[in-house]
Amino acid sequence: AQKVTQAQTEISVVEKEDVTLDCVYETRDTTYYLFWYKQPPSGELVFLIRRNSFDEQNEISGRYSWNFQKSTSSFNFTITASQVVDSAVYFCALSEPYTGNQFYFGTGTSLTVIP
Amino acid sequence: GAGVSQSPRYKVAKRGQDVALRCDPISGHVSLFWYQQALGQGPEFLTYFQNEAQLDKSGLPSDRFFAERPEGSVSTLKIQRTQQEDSAVYLCASSLGQGAGDTQYFGPGTRLTVL
Repeated sequence: AQKVTQAQTEISVVEKEDVTLDCVYETRDTTYYLFWYKQPPSGELVFLIRRNSFDEQNEISGRYSWNFQKSTSSFNFTITASQVVDSAVYFCALSEPYTGNQFYFGTGTSLTVIP
Repeated sequence: GAGVSQSPRYKVAKRGQDVALRCDPISGHVSLFWYQQALGQGPEFLTYFQNEAQLDKSGLPSDRFFAERPEGSVSTLKIQRTQQEDSAVYLCASSLGQGAGDTQYFGPGTRLTVL
């Protein structure tokens, strides 16, 4: 079973629109970590955020914000006032420390921002 | 500061050839990971090192895949007798500590094409 589901395969928005990327995870652990990475066309995964399971506060960093809801096992990512440079594939990942050190990635959401 | 580097960036091999992929982690990072990313998919875990010790190789798809990190720094992923299904991007990541929830920082990857 997929531990991380990113149901949106591709999204296109017009520049300056807001966009939300969905991430739903599955775990039986009470301690876990969630991550978002950006993969531009160059291929390198760029770290965006890390959140542990005990911290449900939402976070804002510039135009980026994250909404963590344990009740729905979701960790959604919103880009406000999107820009062309935001075009990339975005991955959500789960780490379960008591199971192992690996990350479980979703299949990614490809975001295209149209100028 | 220098990030994770990988070489070569691109590798074309004929079926049956052996290949070696190199990863230079961030200096001082204890943990090192290899992932395989098929086209249009998220990265999938291959193996994990803590210093020179290979603690988890559960993701290696066959005994043709071998990884080492002899001095606890640079790592090499070797694939023997390459097959077409080995074609993928191979990503290396490192993290500072031993903790399973530590942020992993990724290199640009090696794109392997097996003809």
